[in-house]
Amino acid sequence: DAEITQSPRHKITETGRQVTLACHQTWNHNNMFWYRQDLGHGLRLIHYSYGVHDTNKGEVSDGYSVSRSNTEDLPLTLESAASSQTSVYFCASSSPGNTEAFFGQGTRLTVV
Amino acid sequence: AQKVTQAQTEISVVEKEDVTLDCVYETRDTTYYLFWYKQPPSGELVFLIRRNSFDEQNEISGRYSWNFQKSTSSFNFTITASQVVDSAVYFCALRRTNYGGSQGNLIFGKGTKLSVKP
Repeated sequence: DAEITQSPRHKITETGRQVTLACHQTWNHNNMFWYRQDLGHGLRLIHYSYGVHDTNKGEVSDGYSVSRSNTEDLPLTLESAASSQTSVYFCASSSPGNTEAFFGQGTRLTVV
Repeated sequence: AQKVTQAQTEISVVEKEDVTLDCVYETRDTTYYLFWYKQPPSGELVFLIRRNSFDEQNEISGRYSWNFQKSTSSFNFTITASQVVDSAVYFCALRRTNYGGSQGNLIFGKGTKLSVKP
C-alpha cells in the first residue's frame, strides 16, 4: 500500500545544530507540505512543493529550508536549531486537484 | 485572507451524549474545500471528511454528521452518542481549489480537544 513516512519519529538536538527531518511518500503525489503543530496554534504551514525542483515558503518558514530533488522526498532542514523550533512536525502529500492530504505520523523534535 | 476559527478549545462530555464541534471559516474564494481531521492521543492525523463549497448537502456517516452552511460560513461536526474512543483533538481546515501562490495547502483551525468520559 502507498504511504507517507517520516523519520525520525523523535529527535532531541542541541541549539545551533543543523537538523534534517525526512519525509518519503509512495503515492507519487506532486504536492508535498511541511507543517508544525504547537499548542494553541493548530498546524501551520512551513514550506511546500508542487513538484520536483519547486519549493515555496509558507506561513512560518524562517529558519527552515526544503529541497525537492525527486517526487518521493521532501526533507526539511533546520539550519541552526533554536528552542522555538521545538514542536511536532507533520509532512503531508496530495495529488493535484481536490483530494484530501495524507499525513505522515509526525516527528517530535526537541531543541535543548 | 483565509482563516478557520474553532472557538471551542476543549469540550468534555459523558459517554452517550451528543456533541457538536463548531467551525467558522473566512475566505473570499467562491470555490473552496473544507475538511475535518481527527487527531487521537496517538498523534496521527486521520481524515474524516471533505466538502466542496458547491455542495451544501449535509452528510451523515454512522455516528458522525456534518452541517455545512455557506450563509453563516460554518461547517459544524456532530458526534451522536459519543464514545470514549471519540476522545481526540479535532481540526477543521480550509483549502482553495485553484493553484497559485499558497493555494493547495490546508489552513487549519486551532483544534478542539474532545474528552468523552465513561
